[in-house]
Amino acid sequence: GESVGLHLPTLSVQEGDNSIINCAYSNSASDYFIWYKQESGKGPQFIIDIRSNMDKRQGQRVTVLLNKTVKHLSLQIAATQPGDSAVYFCAENIQGGSQGNLIFGKGTKLSVKP
Amino acid sequence: DTGVSQDPRHKITKRGQNVTFRCDPISEHNRLYWYRQTLGQGPEFLTYFQNEAQLEKSRLLSDRFSAERPKGSFSTLEIQRTEQGDSAMYLCASSWGTGGNEQYFGPGTRLTVT
Repeated sequence: GESVGLHLPTLSVQEGDNSIINCAYSNSASDYFIWYKQESGKGPQFIIDIRSNMDKRQGQRVTVLLNKTVKHLSLQIAATQPGDSAVYFCAENIQGGSQGNLIFGKGTKLSVKP
Repeated sequence: DTGVSQDPRHKITKRGQNVTFRCDPISEHNRLYWYRQTLGQGPEFLTYFQNEAQLEKSRLLSDRFSAERPKGSFSTLEIQRTEQGDSAMYLCASSWGTGGNEQYFGPGTRLTVT
């Protein structure tokens, strides 16, 4: 079936290093992508989004890269901090489709070592 | 408006009982979504509303699940005759627009069926 998946279930980085979290999607019709951060016991928190007419978008300390050729999405976090420790999900959506729901992958757990 | 709110935050019920959860979206958002999340997985879409119209409900897990948004503002999700397999986090999200736009999640309702 169509789904969004992740290459790595866990990622451990040293505080201050850059983190890269990867995501593969399989639906070539998907044209909108979001990264969420979820801390334990909380709902997903919006980080950054990107539409398919772009290949890069930057936010505060975060950058999302989209490669439509290989259907790959990545989230880069600069100068990773202990507060960045969480599970990160990518999600996809077809904006022109009849459904507005997001399709989530399983998530990558980011652990930041002090 | 401080964001999406959900009530209750935790619910423990015995198998066979009915439960109802409430979601209050961000006030200017016309779309409201319900998701279910089990441990270690990404959120799984259940249903969504645009204003008071339920536009997609085929993903509801069984006929024991139903949702309403009578006035196009808050929404309720009801599970009848709960089963142990219904134990999960139930998340609500809201967004503005008619397509896939950034969805803001509430803190979730953690359901435990004993």
